[in-house]
Amino acid sequence: ETGVTQSPTHLIKTRGQQVTLRCSSQSGHNTVSWYQQALGQGPQFIFQYYREEENGRGNFPPRFSGLQFPNYSSELNVNALELDDSALYLCASSLGLAGDGQYFGPGTRLTVT
Amino acid sequence: GEDVEQSLFLSVREGDSSVINCTYTDSSSTYLYWYKQEPGAGLQLLTYIFSNMDMKQDQRLTVLLNKKDKHLSLRIADTQTGDSAIYFCADLDRGSTLGRLYFGRGTQLTVWP
Repeated sequence: ETGVTQSPTHLIKTRGQQVTLRCSSQSGHNTVSWYQQALGQGPQFIFQYYREEENGRGNFPPRFSGLQFPNYSSELNVNALELDDSALYLCASSLGLAGDGQYFGPGTRLTVT
Repeated sequence: GEDVEQSLFLSVREGDSSVINCTYTDSSSTYLYWYKQEPGAGLQLLTYIFSNMDMKQDQRLTVLLNKKDKHLSLRIADTQTGDSAIYFCADLDRGSTLGRLYFGRGTQLTVWP
């Protein structure tokens, strides 16, 4: 069974640039959720994708967008990067209703300068 | 929104038991989770409990749930230095999505040899 993978591991961008982060879900999982974890904080929900459709969004502006592909992998795109976007971005996969848990990847550390 | 609170720090001696506490506000919570995060890593799902249960035991881990007080605890028996990490309590909200997690800020567990 393959776990959740994310790429890249680390990324440094300049304010105003755009970034794309990638996630491959665990084998057999059809739902992907993205979370932002600022330093010293718990993860905050960005949005969730199910069957290639956005299925819920947290309190993040529209410059945070995403995609889910037919193989259930996913991308998170952030436009017009701000310094406060510096964080660990975590992808989690689950099978539909996440009763038995969401399984997280290792994360992408984004630094905006 | 929902609120999940945890104490920020806990120190124990190797071989002792650790108890990490969490409170939550959502009275309609169905599932509650404990995740572990080691430095520079993603989140590892440790265990979860369904809201109609009072207790769940899984090897060295015991989860206690008091629904009346909205209090969740994680007990780690025979704590080892390898248990040093940040532990997050999370509450599943199924309101409008397939399940978004609300996390506490995490409890930093330090185990002294």
